[in-house]
Amino acid sequence: ETGVTQTPRHLVMGMTNKKSLKCEQHLGHNAMYWYKQSAKKPLELMFVYSLEERVENNSVPSRFSPECPNSSHLFLHLHTLQPEDSALYLCASSQAWGGSYNEQFFGPGTRLTVL
Amino acid sequence: AQKVTQAQTEISVVEKEDVTLDCVYETRDTTYYLFWYKQPPSGELVFLIRRNSFDEQNEISGRYSWNFQKSTSSFNFTITASQVVDSAVYFCALNTGTASKLTFGTGTRLQVTL
Repeated sequence: ETGVTQTPRHLVMGMTNKKSLKCEQHLGHNAMYWYKQSAKKPLELMFVYSLEERVENNSVPSRFSPECPNSSHLFLHLHTLQPEDSALYLCASSQAWGGSYNEQFFGPGTRLTVL
Repeated sequence: AQKVTQAQTEISVVEKEDVTLDCVYETRDTTYYLFWYKQPPSGELVFLIRRNSFDEQNEISGRYSWNFQKSTSSFNFTITASQVVDSAVYFCALNTGTASKLTFGTGTRLQVTL
């Protein structure tokens, strides 16, 4: 595997379910990101981890819970979601968190539908 | 605060036409980086180019070219002789801080037809 991978690619869940999204990067990067992409809205940065420490949390509801067990893996745990949480969830990584020049490398996303 | 505006929501062209995607940014910082990403139907954003605020030289890469003008705060992207494979959503992004935090525009959907 190369680049950034995400599983599952598609997920349908009820509002009472608990599920997790997984992201893995094979680039040796130190920073990982979760974004939410909804129709007709800019990409929303949700969380950032740098060297396994959370460095950014953009007022995301507590029903989204991130976890970064090591610098290659990132999870997003989901519970009691709402229909408006339906979106494409993108994971990204960059060489480092510090510095405005780092390009981010993105995974293919998980298309989440909440019924 | 920073902002990126991509006023063109959707553009439709016929193959082999040239097309320009507009990007206008706002920032009070003098040091910043601008990016373009391509999002094909498969979903992942693909990095295309990075430009820093001190380098106003235009860049050409094959059929792609970028025009950076600080005087108008614009970083426009031109595809020459467009192809069906260019069909995607294109995002312009800005980073002004000391961290790798991107501010994205809302994207322009490009449809290239035969």
